[in-house]
Amino acid sequence: AQSVTQPDIHITVSEGASLELRCNYSYGATPYLFWYVQSPGQGLQLLLKYFSGDTLVQGIKGFEAEFKRSQSSFNLRKPSVHWSDAAEYFCAVGARGGADGLTFGKGTHLIIQP
Amino acid sequence: DTEVTQTPKHLVMGMTNKKSLKCEQHMGHRAMYWYKQKAKKPPELMFVYSYEKLSINESVPSRFSPECPNSSLLNLHLHALQPEDSALYLCASSQEVSRGDQPQHFGDGTRLSIL
Repeated sequence: AQSVTQPDIHITVSEGASLELRCNYSYGATPYLFWYVQSPGQGLQLLLKYFSGDTLVQGIKGFEAEFKRSQSSFNLRKPSVHWSDAAEYFCAVGARGGADGLTFGKGTHLIIQP
Repeated sequence: DTEVTQTPKHLVMGMTNKKSLKCEQHMGHRAMYWYKQKAKKPPELMFVYSYEKLSINESVPSRFSPECPNSSLLNLHLHALQPEDSALYLCASSQEVSRGDQPQHFGDGTRLSIL
């Protein structure tokens, strides 16, 4: 079975600074990987996804993520954060062959300092 | 604006009430999902429907009863809930269950409170 680990429960970043959120996955083959963002009281919005090909993927809102097979990682980055980026971020893995829903990490709560 | 619409946004009910949560999508997706999310936790999968048939039930108590009347609609019928069932209930859809490469699109959820 697949699993996802987000080692950082909370991260505080100053507005304008760069951001990296960590995600490690466990899966027997190359997984489908996703990053979602959830603002308070809202549903989950897809930021980006990785299936195959180029290991650096671009998403919405200026986010990007890099798939590193050797490290089983899929870290999310943004060069300069804005106060509106404060939210909960979830990394998720989907199984190839489908049939299941997504398996989510526990999430990272991003706090933006002025 | 979300492409998956959930109603109501908030629901308060007693433990003896019967209510239903509704979810609608018009993206032509054939897979629909119910998740439960407790505060400060990730979503947990409850049910998966594929082509209007229940394909996964993640050992959810029978007081939760899903229904998929057509390819655009998904309901979750609630009866005799417990206080620990208070949570955010999220609906999602994707092209097909077998297409794991297709992302799931989430609604904004129904915030359920059990008195």
